[in-house]
Amino acid sequence: GQNIDQPTEMTATEGAIVQINCTYQTSGFNGLFWYQQHAGEAPTFLSYNVLDGLEEKGRFSSFLSRSKGYSYLLLKELQMKDSASYLCAVNDYKLSFGAGTTVTVRA
Amino acid sequence: GAGVSQSPSNKVTEKGKDVELRCDPISGHTALYWYRQSLGQGLEFLIYFQGNSAPDKSGLPSDRFSAERTGGSVSTLTIQRTQQEDSAVYLCASSLETVGTANQPQHFGDGTRLSIL
Repeated sequence: GQNIDQPTEMTATEGAIVQINCTYQTSGFNGLFWYQQHAGEAPTFLSYNVLDGLEEKGRFSSFLSRSKGYSYLLLKELQMKDSASYLCAVNDYKLSFGAGTTVTVRA
Repeated sequence: GAGVSQSPSNKVTEKGKDVELRCDPISGHTALYWYRQSLGQGLEFLIYFQGNSAPDKSGLPSDRFSAERTGGSVSTLTIQRTQQEDSAVYLCASSLETVGTANQPQHFGDGTRLSIL
């Protein structure tokens, strides 16, 4: 089966940094995706990791450790528009999603 | 169109009725996926298509749910004899290839919000 865990909620201040952790235990693994979902909207692709290490894309970075079954998404220089749900998804010919982490950015 | 298109955007129907949800993927995307998202929950995988065939239907919750895809493009998800627990947002996504064989992100439509009275 698939078991993907991430915190339910996180709150941070505008301009700060937030790290969203994701741990997984899955029957197969071919990489890990992070998606952003604003309330009432479709998820949008943020990043993809298949090898261990850090992938950086502007203010967003994602890290993967396959041996530990662990990933994190790092959001830097937080803006109000970053308030959203962040979904961790394991790639195993289909995507298995975690329940999502709701990030609230406060002024 | 430029993105994944789903219709209707909202559907309200009475318990026991059948509903049909439509997904028009991004042109050229061979893989198509259906997910369900209940309020405050993560995305629940339902079914995926590679071309017109559905190698994995394991996520369909019951035999009241079925899906088809024709011409390697448009897909319809049909729910028969709807129940109140079917109320959710049904999301469709497409990708260039099946996610497990290529590192292609899935692109999502805006979903159909289904409410069963």
